[in-house]
Amino acid sequence: DGGITQSPKYLFRKEGQNVTLSCEQNLNHDAMYWYRQDPGQGLRLIYYSQIVNDFQKGDIAEGYSVSREKKESFPLTVTSAQKNPTAFYLCASTGVVSGNTIYFGEGSWLTVV
Amino acid sequence: GQQLNQSPQSMFIQEGEDVSMNCTSSSIFNTWLWYKQDPGEGPVLLIALYKAGELTSNGRLTAQFGITRKDSFLNISASIPSDVGIYFCAGHSGSARQLTFGSGTQLTVLP
Repeated sequence: DGGITQSPKYLFRKEGQNVTLSCEQNLNHDAMYWYRQDPGQGLRLIYYSQIVNDFQKGDIAEGYSVSREKKESFPLTVTSAQKNPTAFYLCASTGVVSGNTIYFGEGSWLTVV
Repeated sequence: GQQLNQSPQSMFIQEGEDVSMNCTSSSIFNTWLWYKQDPGEGPVLLIALYKAGELTSNGRLTAQFGITRKDSFLNISASIPSDVGIYFCAGHSGSARQLTFGSGTQLTVLP
């Protein structure tokens, strides 16, 4: 089935640790995104990438890093510099083949313990 | 930057009632999208609108792209319990960066 796969669904991080969230898509989409959602809140853009080996900061990029080595993959690393990382993280993608409509993965919950 | 005002923030309705929610913007969008999000899941696309004035239905859902390109509404007819969730609007201005989300409408359907 075509779609966007995020893993893990649930992740616990200790203080001072870096963690990486995986996002893979088989939709042949060019652009990929990472959003953060806090309880009862809307979506805030962390990073986005329009093509392989290129990415841009979103509104809340501090404390996060990304890479785009393959078209299908856009992993997000939550670094120890992110002071309040507990949130729901959503990966999304879009492309010409989808009429620029953005599609989301099922999300990953990150909790700091 | 661009902002979307989505209203209402929350709604409590009786099963069988119709629901209406809307989004307005200070900027023009080329595309309007409506999503539903269940707790702990990613948003699922309900309806995509690509032209000003466009009226599109998806089962009991109907959405319209405003003529001014600065607003959109979503109607749900004859609500059922599984309609419960958060509904988001999103406007796209055409560039990869410019997708703006509303703050969501939390819908509760009472039996």
